Amino acid sequence: GENVEQHPSTLSVQEGDSAVIKCTYSDSASNYFPWYKQELGKGPQLIIDIRSNVGEKKDQRIAVTLNKTAKHFSLHITETQPEDSAVYFCAASNRGSGAGSYQLTFGKGTKLSVIP
Amino acid sequence: NAGVTQTPKFQVLKTGQSMTLQCAQDMNHNSMYWYRQDPGMGLRLIYYSASEGTTDKGEVPNGYNVSRLNKREFSLRLESAAPSQTSVYFCASSSQGLGNTEAFFGQGTRLTVV
Repeated sequence: GENVEQHPSTLSVQEGDSAVIKCTYSDSASNYFPWYKQELGKGPQLIIDIRSNVGEKKDQRIAVTLNKTAKHFSLHITETQPEDSAVYFCAASNRGSGAGSYQLTFGKGTKLSVIP
Repeated sequence: NAGVTQTPKFQVLKTGQSMTLQCAQDMNHNSMYWYRQDPGMGLRLIYYSASEGTTDKGEVPNGYNVSRLNKREFSLRLESAAPSQTSVYFCASSSQGLGNTEAFFGQGTRLTVV
């Protein structure tokens, strides 16, 4: 099955600096790569996603890049703010055992702390 | 819209007790999922239901059963709880399956088995 590795596990940055989180995946058939943000006591929430036919996607201060050949993708947050402090998860989609079904395999998460 | 609603939010069980975690979504989604989250382990899929009437095992199904009661509701049952099932459980739903569209998560159920 799919295996997703995520680094680093913790990351501290000064407010205004950039933060980069990297993930690798093992299944070359995976074609959808979302990123989720989880705040304390809440469920994960999608912040950005990318599909395998796209190399980069940007949404304001957040961007994601995908290298299908190397099987890795990264999250970039620029001009970080204290409210960016949270746990971030990358994920990769792969086929489930049921017909026509897909499931997500998550990385282990990165705890980002933005220091004011 | 409430989105994905999980009940209860907190639960303490004794070893061997049983309980059912409830999940309901009001977005008319076809697919629903149960994950568990443990420190340092990320989110691991327990069971999923790609569509009403179907259920399939995920990565860590042992000790759990599920029921897709109707399109809105997907419950997770622990028949005989064990301390290793102490975790935070998340239900999620998506319109077409997690390979294509956004998954929406509930607020989680924090379960402690003593």
